[in-house]
Order: sequence, then C-alpha cells, then structure tokens
Amino acid sequence: EAGVAQSPRYKIIEKRQSVAFWCNPISGHATLYWYQQILGQGPKLLIQFQNNGVVDDSQLPKDRFSAERLKGVDSTLKIQPAKLEDSAVYLCASSWAGGVNEQFFGPGTRLTVL
Amino acid sequence: KNEVEQSPQNLTAQEGEFITINCSYSVGISALHWLQQHPGGGIVSLFMLSSGKKKHGRLIATINIQEKHSSLHITASHPRDSAVYICAVARDSNYQLIWGAGTKLIIKP
Repeated sequence: EAGVAQSPRYKIIEKRQSVAFWCNPISGHATLYWYQQILGQGPKLLIQFQNNGVVDDSQLPKDRFSAERLKGVDSTLKIQPAKLEDSAVYLCASSWAGGVNEQFFGPGTRLTVL
Repeated sequence: KNEVEQSPQNLTAQEGEFITINCSYSVGISALHWLQQHPGGGIVSLFMLSSGKKKHGRLIATINIQEKHSSLHITASHPRDSAVYICAVARDSNYQLIWGAGTKLIIKP
C-alpha cells in the first residue's frame, strides 16, 4: 500500500514570497490533515478535511494560509505572503475516517523562510 | 501545565539497553498514539492504544487509563532506534490530537 506522498520535500523562499505544498493521501482515506511543526515543538493542526469539506480550520492563519481539497483526494496548502515565523515542517496525514482512526503521516515538507 | 507530558525530554543509552519513555495526560481520551520521528521530519505511527498493552517486534506500549499514564518500552535497543518519540492523545470530546513535546532518544553503539 502506497503511503502519504508530499512534495516538495524542501523549500527555501524569501519572506513575502508565496509557496504551495501538495499532499496525496493513502487511497480511500476520507480524512486529510495538515500540520505545522516548528522546530522543537509538537505538530499543530492547521486544517482537517473530511472528503472535500473542512471539518476544523480554527488554527489556520487565514490571512495568509489557504488550503483546498477540491476532489476529495489530494490537497494543496498555500502560504501567501510568507513570514519568517512560517519556517517549519509541514506534515500531511490521512486516515480512513476522522475520529479515533489512526493517522498515517507523509514525509513532510521543510520550509525555510529567509 | 501541558495536557500531555512526556519524560524524559532527552535520553542517551548504550546499545542493548532497555529503554522506557513515559507519557502522562490530564484530559479524557479516546485513544493514545506513540509515534516516531526521524531527522528530516517524517512521522511514523508506532501504536494506537485505548487499553492494555501492545507489542510489535522490540517495541512494547502500555496504557493505564485509570492513572492516565502510558509507557513505551524498547528492548535490546539499537542505534537505528535513535529518533524522537512522541506521545499524542485523541481528546474524547472531538478526537483532536494533543501532542507531547517528544523524547529525543540517542542509542550509542
């Protein structure tokens, strides 16, 4: 079974530039999560999708971050414009359904904002 | 006080030693997860527990719901076990994961 795919693996941009990350979940997984993990901290949930609908985006900085999952499969997370404090690893995870189901994580995208 | 506390924060041991990492939590949970994170960021789910004990290879995870405590044990540790081990609990009200700060484990040959 193929795992969660993410790209790119690494990205370096200057502040005020835009960046987009892509995630393809495990086939058949209805729930998709985007997390932000700042160095030395645990992951913070940014947004949770159930199919193509948003379940929770309470911690998404909506003035600069946006995410979509148009066909209920793969998803894109965008930052526009980026700030220095956005430097982090962005993790995508998926699960069969929401709730207590086990989440499977992708390799992450390491973003450095200069 | 954090809702999920892990100890120790850092652990260095010699190859072959028995390793224990502890996790305590203060909220009602539906499940507890142990995850492994290697340098570079990717996270691997090791266990999901709601009661009792689970074993996979050299890894054992236990949970005591009454005491709100879980432990992750590694038997016959190996340098390839070096990683950050994270405890995360699924809150029973909304299933959202609350993450511990992680335990950085280094196993020396």
